[in-house]
Amino acid sequence: AQSVSQHNHHVILSEAASLELGCNYSYGGTVNLFWYVQYPGQHLQLLLKYFSGDPLVKGIKGFEAEFIKSKFSFNLRKPSVQWSDTAEYFCAVKWKNGGSQGNLIFGKGTKLSVKP
Amino acid sequence: DAGVTQSPTHLIKTRGQHVTLRCSPISGHKSVSWYQQVLGQGPQFIFQYYEKEERGRGNFPDRFSARQFPNYSSELNVNALLLGDSALYLCASSLGVLGGGALDSNQPQHFGDGTRLSIL
Repeated sequence: AQSVSQHNHHVILSEAASLELGCNYSYGGTVNLFWYVQYPGQHLQLLLKYFSGDPLVKGIKGFEAEFIKSKFSFNLRKPSVQWSDTAEYFCAVKWKNGGSQGNLIFGKGTKLSVKP
Repeated sequence: DAGVTQSPTHLIKTRGQHVTLRCSPISGHKSVSWYQQVLGQGPQFIFQYYEKEERGRGNFPDRFSARQFPNYSSELNVNALLLGDSALYLCASSLGVLGGGALDSNQPQHFGDGTRLSIL
């Protein structure tokens, strides 16, 4: 079955620390990859997406992610986090073929807490 | 421009009742998807509608149904509510361009704030 795994349930960092959140999906095929962020009390917002081309994608607010096809991974990174990055981060995958009808399969999410 | 709007914001029901949740997509978006987000989990796909037709269905019982109206708004209905239906219900809209009989998956989905449903 198609699934998405996020390795960390809760990450706690100090401001200016570097961030890397892991995301792996269950198997290959043609995929579209997304990271969504949910700030406290707000709706899910698209952080960045990968469809094709350069596997290193840049998103909003200084975030970037790297697609490594051989590892079925799409890890999210930020060189220096800020207190305002405190939020929950969701990795999502859309398989273009297969049982999910092309809709998003989400990971369980990673809560990021940044200490000022 | 208004984003995806959902109503109501919060809802409290008892077991056995039914509920109707509503969603208005972003203007110009023709595809609407519904997701259920249980506390501590990521959103789980329930339905997708495009041009009033069901285009996808997740692994949910027949107690869950939905429809899309000519103005592209959508309703999610849940009958015979169970305690386990307590969750945040999210609606997402996308342009929904159709090509070759399939919805263009290169369309990001935009989410509403959700409806928090509590079952007592």
